[in-house]
Amino acid sequence: AQKVTQAQTEISVVEKEDVTLDCVYETRDTTYYLFWYKQPPSGELVFLIRRNSFDEQNEISGRYSWNFQKSTSSFNFTITASQVVDSAVYFCALSGSNSGYALNFGKGTSLLVTP
Amino acid sequence: DADVTQTPRNRITKTGKRIMLECSQTKGHDRMYWYRQDPGLGLRLIYYSFDVKDINKGEISDGYSVSRQAQAKFSLSLESAIPNQTALYFCATSSVRNTGELFFGEGSRLTVL
Repeated sequence: AQKVTQAQTEISVVEKEDVTLDCVYETRDTTYYLFWYKQPPSGELVFLIRRNSFDEQNEISGRYSWNFQKSTSSFNFTITASQVVDSAVYFCALSGSNSGYALNFGKGTSLLVTP
Repeated sequence: DADVTQTPRNRITKTGKRIMLECSQTKGHDRMYWYRQDPGLGLRLIYYSFDVKDINKGEISDGYSVSRQAQAKFSLSLESAIPNQTALYFCATSSVRNTGELFFGEGSRLTVL
């Protein structure tokens, strides 16, 4: 079975602070993919990143960075110098061959960035 | 125009009514999915389809049925809606070549009174 845990339900930070969103996953697949999606208040789901299980390189995209560690089954997401526009719900998700590569989502972390 | 289109975007109905949510895509993807989003529960998979002849149940398929009328169309039906099916429903597509990356529609908000 696959499972994604986002232990942080809500996080509130002041603008310009750094914030890390945690994601821990469980899977029996040897090949799997991890994702982060953003859902702003407008409701649409925005793809942020995909990482496959064979690529543990960390990735940085502007103010966003992701830390993938297979040893701890974690795929954490850090926003540096947060901005009000970063306020959204962020979902971590996992897909693997056993589920036909359908995404299993965590329950999401609601991030509020205040001025 | 959106690549993944859901209709209706909003619907209010009464308990016991039959409801159909429709999804169409212009991305040419073979895989289509229906998810349900409830506050605090994330997105949960209802059904998914890898092609017209391949339909699979997801985590929470009870009370729902689907039809894949064509590669581009995937509809979700609630035969007899109940209040706890009030939720935001998302359709999504993916390509076998882009394993797992989903492209979502804008969502259909369903309220069952």
